Amino acid sequence: NAGVTQTPKFRVLKTGQSMTLLCAQDMNHEYMYWYRQDPGMGLRLIHYSVGEGTTAKGEVPDGYNVSRLKKQNFLLGLESAAPSQTSVYFCASSYPLSEQFFGPGTRLTVL
Amino acid sequence: TQLLEQSPQFLSIQEGENLTVYCNSSSVFSSLQWYRQEPGEGPVLLVTVVTGGEVKKLKRLTFQFGDARKDSSLHITAAQPGDTGLYLCAGFESVGTASKLTFGTGTRLQVTL
Repeated sequence: NAGVTQTPKFRVLKTGQSMTLLCAQDMNHEYMYWYRQDPGMGLRLIHYSVGEGTTAKGEVPDGYNVSRLKKQNFLLGLESAAPSQTSVYFCASSYPLSEQFFGPGTRLTVL
Repeated sequence: TQLLEQSPQFLSIQEGENLTVYCNSSSVFSSLQWYRQEPGEGPVLLVTVVTGGEVKKLKRLTFQFGDARKDSSLHITAAQPGDTGLYLCAGFESVGTASKLTFGTGTRLQVTL
């Protein structure tokens, strides 16, 4: 089992460009999450999903959109990237009310 | 609003020393989790503490949940270079049918020979 995988590992964008981060899990987990990690701030929840076709806002959702068209995939989109979105992005998945398993992260730089 | 503060932010010690990391919250959580994160990887769960006053041991690591379930501590005995990493506490709460983790600010530990 690969667990939780994220694509790409690194990306550099110019302000205003768009991109999509892909998260995939092979553990048949119902729940999936997107976090961002910034120095001195821990991880903050962006959006999450409790099942295929459902998404909800987390703590810092502005500037991001998500989609969960398949149970195993959770996509995070940036429509118009800003320097404030420079961060490391982590995806996680879990069974309901259980331990979250994290992917290796995507390091995004917006110039 | 940051609900979980960890101290210290940075800790550099020599192999064999003991250390304690603190996690303080302004809110009560149903349980509290501790994670370790190594460079280039995601956080990995170490332990979950649920009951106020609970103490859990994981080899040389001792975790304690405060009586009021608002704070926690992680004590490492005889630290080793393999303990180096970022330690994160996270408050767990259920929101409807979903679970929500609120992460602390993190403590970066470096253990040298």
